[in-house]
Amino acid sequence: AQSVTQLGSHVSVSEGALVLLRCNYSSSVPPYLFWYVQYPNQGLQLLLKYTSAATLVKGINGFEAEFKKSETSFHLTKPSAHMSDAAEYFCAVSLIYNQGGKLIFGQGTELSVKP
Amino acid sequence: GAVVSQHPSWVICKSGTSVKIECRSLDFQATTMFWYRQFPKQSLMLMATSNEGSKATYEQGVEKDKFLINHASLTLSTLTVTSAHPEDSSFYICSAGGGSGTDTQYFGPGTRLTVL
Repeated sequence: AQSVTQLGSHVSVSEGALVLLRCNYSSSVPPYLFWYVQYPNQGLQLLLKYTSAATLVKGINGFEAEFKKSETSFHLTKPSAHMSDAAEYFCAVSLIYNQGGKLIFGQGTELSVKP
Repeated sequence: GAVVSQHPSWVICKSGTSVKIECRSLDFQATTMFWYRQFPKQSLMLMATSNEGSKATYEQGVEKDKFLINHASLTLSTLTVTSAHPEDSSFYICSAGGGSGTDTQYFGPGTRLTVL
């Protein structure tokens, strides 16, 4: 069965510092992987996705993620944090092959950015 | 492109009443829509998957008779919370995709339901 684990429910960084949010997945088939961001009282916005093409995926707002099959990881990074990056981040795996795109979400990581 | 709207954005109702939440794909046809529930400071929990013109598929533990889902057209799905109780208070989020073979879901802004 597919699953996603996000290490660290809360990450705090200083403005300008590197952002690293960790995500590990479990899947019996090659996965589609996603990172979404959620601002308070809002829906989810797609940051980036991995769909079996390039392993280094670039997304919006300067974020990128690297798919590492050997480590079953899909960590999200951004070289320099901005105050506006403070939000909840969710990693998700898609059961695209057998359940019509159903997403399984990780527990979420709240990112705080200190001035 | 790929905009999904929800209405209402928030609703307060009395215990025992029913509430309907609409989810619309504004600029694309969504063969599949998903309904999620999110409690404060928690992740999204998939409630059901609806395909246009057919019955919804509910996740284990979700009451079909309490959470009625209708996907009557390629741009509209509705979730009706019947006989709502305070424990149904939550943030409900829908998403829309193009169906099997589509790799991206687009999410609505969510609906905050408070049952008094």
